[in-house]
Amino acid sequence: ETGVTQSPTHLIKTRGQQVTLRCSSQSGHNTVSWYQQALGQGPQFIFQYYREEENGRGNFPPRFSGLQFPNYSSELNVNALELDDSALYLCASSRGQGKTGANVLTFGAGSRLTVL
Amino acid sequence: AQSVTQPDIHITVSEGASLELRCNYSYGATPYLFWYVQSPGQGLQLLLKYFSGDTLVQGIKGFEAEFKRSQSSFNLRKPSVHWSDAAEYFCAVGANEPGGYNKLIFGAGTRLAVHP
Repeated sequence: ETGVTQSPTHLIKTRGQQVTLRCSSQSGHNTVSWYQQALGQGPQFIFQYYREEENGRGNFPPRFSGLQFPNYSSELNVNALELDDSALYLCASSRGQGKTGANVLTFGAGSRLTVL
Repeated sequence: AQSVTQPDIHITVSEGASLELRCNYSYGATPYLFWYVQSPGQGLQLLLKYFSGDTLVQGIKGFEAEFKRSQSSFNLRKPSVHWSDAAEYFCAVGANEPGGYNKLIFGAGTRLAVHP
């Protein structure tokens, strides 16, 4: 089975620009979550998508938005980029609606975003 | 508040030595606990998980962890470290959120260096 793939792997943007990051879920997984990992920190939950709808969000502003497509792939969009948005963005997929903390996530290798 | 603490930011061990990475959690309900490993340029790989039952759980790559409810701890151990174990290790708790979704709450990570 294929794992979680993310693109692009690296990108550089300037402050105020917009960025779109993409994620393909592991085969058989229908839930996608996105995490932000700043340098030297653990990943922080951004939001989760199930059946093409956002069903949970962490402490991130509305300029962070996402989409999930019928094939369960997903996009993370960030508008009006700020310097503090520089981080590794991790996508994770899982099976099921994600109602239990016992849900096992499979992570991609991440997209490293640098904002200048 | 839900949280995960990894007290050791950086640990160095000699190859062949034993290893213990500490993890303490704060969570009101029965915790679902995870250890992930992240190598440079890689995503997060699941080492092991604890949901219920035997408090000593075995994982991949020869790792094990012990859940101690009385100490709110879930320490990771390996009897003999290999140079390829050098990486960053993250402890996480799976949290059920109001609204019917779940997320992982990560610690800040412990960076492991292995001396030959």
